Amino acid sequence: GAGVSQTPSNKVTEKGKYVELRCDPISGHTALYWYRQSLGQGPEFLIYFQGTGAADDSGLPNDRFFAVRPEGSVSTLKIQRTERGDSAVYLCASSLNELSGANVLTFGAGSRLTVL
Amino acid sequence: DQQVKQNSPSLSVQEGRISILNCDYTNSMFDYFLWYKKYPAEGPTFLISISSIKDKNEDGRFTVFLNKSAKHLSLHIVPSQPGDSAVYFCAASDWDNQGGKLIFGQGTELSVKP
Repeated sequence: GAGVSQTPSNKVTEKGKYVELRCDPISGHTALYWYRQSLGQGPEFLIYFQGTGAADDSGLPNDRFFAVRPEGSVSTLKIQRTERGDSAVYLCASSLNELSGANVLTFGAGSRLTVL
Repeated sequence: DQQVKQNSPSLSVQEGRISILNCDYTNSMFDYFLWYKKYPAEGPTFLISISSIKDKNEDGRFTVFLNKSAKHLSLHIVPSQPGDSAVYFCAASDWDNQGGKLIFGQGTELSVKP
């Protein structure tokens, strides 16, 4: 597609449930990023993939969070045993990740997660 | 620790005047700086960038200035228009040590009044 697509756009769940958020990046973009944005804050880095492998997962807050990108395109962010503090907008971005010039990330509209 | 900081949560400017948004950083290894703009219910969109080897980059009404010694950058919008009302984020990257990921500031909400 022309842009980064994220589904669902909104997800309401109960504390303790499992959630999956999906990201479809721009075709041809080798790098894919997950960020989390809480109210009044900037996007906070979670994890990024170069191809199929996680190049940097240092932003994942704990082992309840996991992400995959099995074929180097679509990615899924998985959250187990959700907590109220997980409520946020989860943003996905992709880029060409070229070493020359600024690495411009193109973002999707985000998935708003609300944990009751 | 917050490596990129935007200390002004909001800014209000009259249409036609200059808007100046500020950003400070702590990591001297950052090699690129970017500004993103975000409207409600949308993802951030790229606005303008600057390399650490430059001190100014201009694109139409938007100019970014970088002061490396002060670890400070600013975004100037001249003239400001009501459609510029949005949240602006500065971001930075350190390719050698942190790869392609961007580190974002907290954002400044700009309101341009007609």
